[in-house]
Amino acid sequence: GAGVSQSPSNKVTEKGKDVELRCDPISGHTALYWYRQRLGQGLEFLIYFQGNSAPDKSGLPSDRFSAERTGESVSTLTIQRTQQEDSAVYLCASSLDGEGGTEAFFGQGTRLTVV
Amino acid sequence: GDSVTQMEGPVTLSEEAFLTINCTYTATGYPSLFWYVQYPGEGLQLLLKATKADDKGSNKGFEATYRKETTSFHLEKGSVQVSDSAVYFCALNDNYGQNFVFGPGTRLSVLP
Repeated sequence: GAGVSQSPSNKVTEKGKDVELRCDPISGHTALYWYRQRLGQGLEFLIYFQGNSAPDKSGLPSDRFSAERTGESVSTLTIQRTQQEDSAVYLCASSLDGEGGTEAFFGQGTRLTVV
Repeated sequence: GDSVTQMEGPVTLSEEAFLTINCTYTATGYPSLFWYVQYPGEGLQLLLKATKADDKGSNKGFEATYRKETTSFHLEKGSVQVSDSAVYFCALNDNYGQNFVFGPGTRLSVLP
């Protein structure tokens, strides 16, 4: 597609349920990033995939969070046993090669609300 | 670790006023620097970037110069418009294939 696509755009879930968020990066982009943006705040890094290298998971806030990426394609962010503090917009971005100076292109995000 | 600091917002200006949003960074190497903008209801999009010291990035009347000696990348525009109302994020990416580090964002409101 023309840009980074995320689905669903909105998700309301009950506390304790698991959720899966999907990201389709721009075709040919080897680097993929997940960020979290709480209301009125900045971007919090979660995880970074670069080609076939081991992902950088240093930003995942707890073991309830995990992410996978299929080759250089789709990525899924999974949050288990959701809590109210998980409510945020989850942003996915991709870049051509992850090298310095290469811009990241962002999707529109998934707004997650845990009730 | 790497970090980015931005001036606190919100910033409220009248149309045609001069804009400066300060950004400073801490990085171990020589990062590339970016300004991203998030218009109301939209996703983040790149505004401009600079990849080495003394480079000037520019777009849509906005400019920022990579100042290695002061580790800064301040965003400026000579005459803002109502349509510039948005949240602006300063960011860096080191040159070793690591993730992007973002500042907290500065909300700009331009009044007619």
